[in-house]
Amino acid sequence: NAGVMQNPRHLVRRRGQEARLRCSPMKGHSHVYWYRQLPEEGLKFMVYLQKENIIDESGMPKERFSAEFPKEGPSILRIQQVVRGDSAAYFCASSLDGILGLMNTEAFFGQGTRLTVV
Amino acid sequence: GENVEQHPSTLSVQEGDSAVIKCTYSDSASNYFPWYKQELGKRPQLIIDIRSNVGEKKDQRIAVTLNKTAKHFSLHITETQPEDSAVYFCAASNDYKLSFGAGTTVTVRA
Repeated sequence: NAGVMQNPRHLVRRRGQEARLRCSPMKGHSHVYWYRQLPEEGLKFMVYLQKENIIDESGMPKERFSAEFPKEGPSILRIQQVVRGDSAAYFCASSLDGILGLMNTEAFFGQGTRLTVV
Repeated sequence: GENVEQHPSTLSVQEGDSAVIKCTYSDSASNYFPWYKQELGKRPQLIIDIRSNVGEKKDQRIAVTLNKTAKHFSLHITETQPEDSAVYFCAASNDYKLSFGAGTTVTVRA
């Protein structure tokens, strides 16, 4: 099992461009989460998806940000018209079940995508 | 929502000494408390976790304690080694959402 795979690892975008971040969950996991980490801060929850459905997007800005997890293929976090404040590390995590800690369910994190907006 | 505070923000210890990191949480509904270790440029990795029906859990040199009444939990690393140097994050959850502390940078001096 290759673990949670994110690509690209590093992404540089000019202000106003679009950023697309991809995440392939661990094999057999249908629950995907996106977190954002600003320098020297903890991870902040953005969105929780379960195959083809957005369950909770309360941590995601309502404008410019969107996420999907299609039936086939990776989960995508899309940021339109990026601004300098979007520069951060974006981590994806996946789990076997949607209740963490239950029956030893844990969230496995990917390596992250470090987005730099210039 | 849940608010998790973590202290200290940095911790320097001599190799072989113990390290203790403390966290408090605000939501009494939280029932799952994992600890993640993140090395520079790498993914956060779960090192130990505890559920609210347990007061203490130990795994070799790492232990976690939980006080539900006071809403705080702590990570204890004994006999620290240079490879323990990393950023450690505590988190709290009552379902799928993890609320993280701001992290503690631990440096183990040889």
